[in-house]
Amino acid sequence: GESVGLHLPTLSVQEGDNSIINCAYSNSASDYFIWYKQESGKGPQFIIDIRSNMDKRQGQRVTVLLNKTVKHLSLQIAATQPGDSAVYFCAGPGGSNYKLTFGKGTLLTVNP
Amino acid sequence: DVKVTQSSRYLVKRTGEKVFLECVQDMDHENMFWYRQDPGLGLRLIYFSYDVKMKEKGDIPEGYSVSREKKERFSLILESASTNQTSMYLCASSLWSNQPQHFGDGTRLSIL
Repeated sequence: GESVGLHLPTLSVQEGDNSIINCAYSNSASDYFIWYKQESGKGPQFIIDIRSNMDKRQGQRVTVLLNKTVKHLSLQIAATQPGDSAVYFCAGPGGSNYKLTFGKGTLLTVNP
Repeated sequence: DVKVTQSSRYLVKRTGEKVFLECVQDMDHENMFWYRQDPGLGLRLIYFSYDVKMKEKGDIPEGYSVSREKKERFSLILESASTNQTSMYLCASSLWSNQPQHFGDGTRLSIL
């Protein structure tokens, strides 16, 4: 079945540095991906999404890159701040038009 | 902004009780979802609904049922609560398929 997975369960960066969180997926037909941020005690919050007809999409301080050749996507956070500390999930199609499958999450810790 | 509201943040129930978890969304979304989130297992889909009175089983429906009598409200029912149903329960909604799912802040349910 479809799967998405993150490469690292934890990532620690210094405040002000750029962060890169990576994700791989298994189904080459997957056409839509989403990144979520989950802070402690809260539900996942939508950050940015990308469709397979794009290689790159930018938001506010975030960029998502999609490499369909190697079935890999990444979330880049520019000038990481303490408020960016959270668990980050990638999600992709889950076998039907309605379902998503989620990666396990990467815990990002920002050190002052 | 999309608002998904779960009726309780914390809930403690006893084994064998019938438990109702309520979720309301205010954006006229077609699709609604119930997940549970456990350490090391990530987000797992219990049930979803793509229309009023319609429901589909997710990946782990055993021990649960759902109800969607109105478009904005999706209820999760634990027919006879058991200790292995202690978990964080997250509700989500999306406008259409292949659209971001937006999450509530979760209900942390403890079954004693």
